[in-house]
Amino acid sequence: LAKTTQPISMDSYEGQEVNITCSHNNIATNDYITWYQQFPSQGPRFIIQGYKTKVTNEVASLFIPADRKSSTLSLPRVSLSDTAVYYCLAATGGTGGGADGLTFGKGTHLIIQP
Amino acid sequence: NAGVTQTPKFRILKIGQSMTLQCTQDMNHNYMYWYRQDPGMGLKLIYYSVGAGITDKGEVPNGYNVSRSTTEDFPLRLELAAPSQTSVYFCASSENRGSYEQYFGPGTRLTVT
Repeated sequence: LAKTTQPISMDSYEGQEVNITCSHNNIATNDYITWYQQFPSQGPRFIIQGYKTKVTNEVASLFIPADRKSSTLSLPRVSLSDTAVYYCLAATGGTGGGADGLTFGKGTHLIIQP
Repeated sequence: NAGVTQTPKFRILKIGQSMTLQCTQDMNHNYMYWYRQDPGMGLKLIYYSVGAGITDKGEVPNGYNVSRSTTEDFPLRLELAAPSQTSVYFCASSENRGSYEQYFGPGTRLTVT
């Protein structure tokens, strides 16, 4: 089962900053938080990954508080093309962990309006 | 690099037929995965492999089989297809597990009637 909980859907407008929060109350010490984006009829695409504090890349930022029970994906100045489903995963890195955490929940359907 | 390729793109099967979904990656990744995605739902892990010759079950393995004879290829076999297996199937690979990004193929849309 997915180890994370996200809102089913969110709306925003072009040019706004969008924050999507993911809850992972039972995250394990070795788990990393990874976010993916999926457009219709395509496979998911990696956005960003982190373990704690803040990670930023060219498309997004990921904020993870000290207790690691939640995380927030931040998309700056969204455009219509950011309309997609966003998935949050908490999975163990390295060679351990088996299949635990490698199930994508329903994700958050983000709709960006003009 | 082609990344992860999957064939076929679409397939219609009759109940009870069998088929193999092909998946190939050219990134020399050790880890490979098969997921299924039903309409409006997230992805569920069917099987995964941590290297050639090593496979393990995911969340929904019943009705499927896999093999991993080479690093590049990870075929998924459906025996005795059932309507419940109508879905989109995605193959993915990663350098390592969990803490490294997964690269997904374009998917195979399978209908069983």
